[in-house]
Amino acid sequence: GQQLNQSPQSMFIQEGEDVSMNCTSSSIFNTWLWYKQDPGEGPVLLIALYKAGELTSNGRLTAQFGITRKDSFLNISASIPSDVGIYFCAGLYGGATNKLIFGTGTLLAVQP
Amino acid sequence: DGGITQSPKYLFRKEGQNVTLSCEQNLNHDAMYWYRQDPGQGLRLIYYSQIVNDFQKGDIAEGYSVSREKKESFPLTVTSAQKNPTAFYLCASSADRGMRSGYTFGSGTRLTVV
Repeated sequence: GQQLNQSPQSMFIQEGEDVSMNCTSSSIFNTWLWYKQDPGEGPVLLIALYKAGELTSNGRLTAQFGITRKDSFLNISASIPSDVGIYFCAGLYGGATNKLIFGTGTLLAVQP
Repeated sequence: DGGITQSPKYLFRKEGQNVTLSCEQNLNHDAMYWYRQDPGQGLRLIYYSQIVNDFQKGDIAEGYSVSREKKESFPLTVTSAQKNPTAFYLCASSADRGMRSGYTFGSGTRLTVV
């Protein structure tokens, strides 16, 4: 099955640093979503993007829907220890298929 | 509070046994999904259902079965035919066909074959 290319695969940073991750696809999406998964839990929706070029913030998180509609970016500013987890992007084609396509995930570790 | 509940949180199974994982939602969502997650891996779709009494295979359906007799419930059976069943299983649901609000996930069931 198709998965989106997400990078980096993992990041090990110091508390207070900023973080950037991105997701790319060979196909155009109508919707981009970013999820965070805490260890041993299910993913939780962080940000949803619906329009090419859209830039949306949620606290220290900012995500952008790429102009080409084939990519999306997530930035986390001033990281804190509770940012630890796996971050997934997800894209939606829309139409009859109507299933989210998930990225491969970015594992984030934050050292206090 | 509305949500999606998976049970049990941890499950141990002997080789050769079938086991059923429960997934219940009270969000009035039409569509439900089952994913498998292995350590360091992304989410792989097992089965999904967009309406009661109908479901479709995902990317890794072999060795699994599902039913959707009620809108609220979408149980997953891991059969003895599944060669490598130890994994973290996630259930999800979505509100509308456009899915602009994405999926709501349960908290997962960790299955270990002993």
